[in-house]
Amino acid sequence: QKEVEQNSGPLSVPEGAIASLNCTYSDRGSQSFFWYRQYSGKSPELIMFIYSNGDKEDGRFTAQLNKASQYVSLLIRDSQPSDSATYLCAVINAGGTSYGKLTFGQGTILTVHP
Amino acid sequence: KAGVTQTPRYLIKTRGQQVTLSCSPISGHRSVSWYQQTPGQGLQFLFEYFSETQRNKGNFPGRFSGRQFSNSRSEMNVSTLELGDSALYLCASSRTGTPRTEAFFGQGTRLTVV
Repeated sequence: QKEVEQNSGPLSVPEGAIASLNCTYSDRGSQSFFWYRQYSGKSPELIMFIYSNGDKEDGRFTAQLNKASQYVSLLIRDSQPSDSATYLCAVINAGGTSYGKLTFGQGTILTVHP
Repeated sequence: KAGVTQTPRYLIKTRGQQVTLSCSPISGHRSVSWYQQTPGQGLQFLFEYFSETQRNKGNFPGRFSGRQFSNSRSEMNVSTLELGDSALYLCASSRTGTPRTEAFFGQGTRLTVV
């Protein structure tokens, strides 16, 4: 079982729709969770960071964390063609051996079509 | 506020050579992590430095090494390059590298080994 798994893509949604990206993780010691957006040929850009159970909203983005179910999701409302990218879920665990170490999922490719 | 700066952006090296990559973190950030990104393996953690000390290391051979200077700038070195080392090398800057701090990536260095 992979440490971090994301829903297999690619995911295609029409412009204006809600895009839902999902991520599960295997280590119950995972402390914090990140969503990065990566455009082709570019570096990952941090769009959401969450470490408490529940929802966190930032503009059109909402991250949802459920530690009991070991599940974190990202909702993108009013999706735009400019949101088309690969979305990477990453976790960081507790403990001294986890300093600075993000463990990434394989990424989900999102395409928003006009 | 300046972001994370990586130099050079592109490199072409020959098998057997060595290479040094540089990363300047965001001002005030003392943790620098390095990652290798390839299409097949995704983003994999190489190592993390904080206050000039390596605190964490991933599963890469000893040909991959790094260091951090007193101003938090970090360098990564790869010796005896192999074709399989061709990848996008990314550094991430964080205030402390602990779970509840955000991590921001630089633009990356695209290394091609021929």
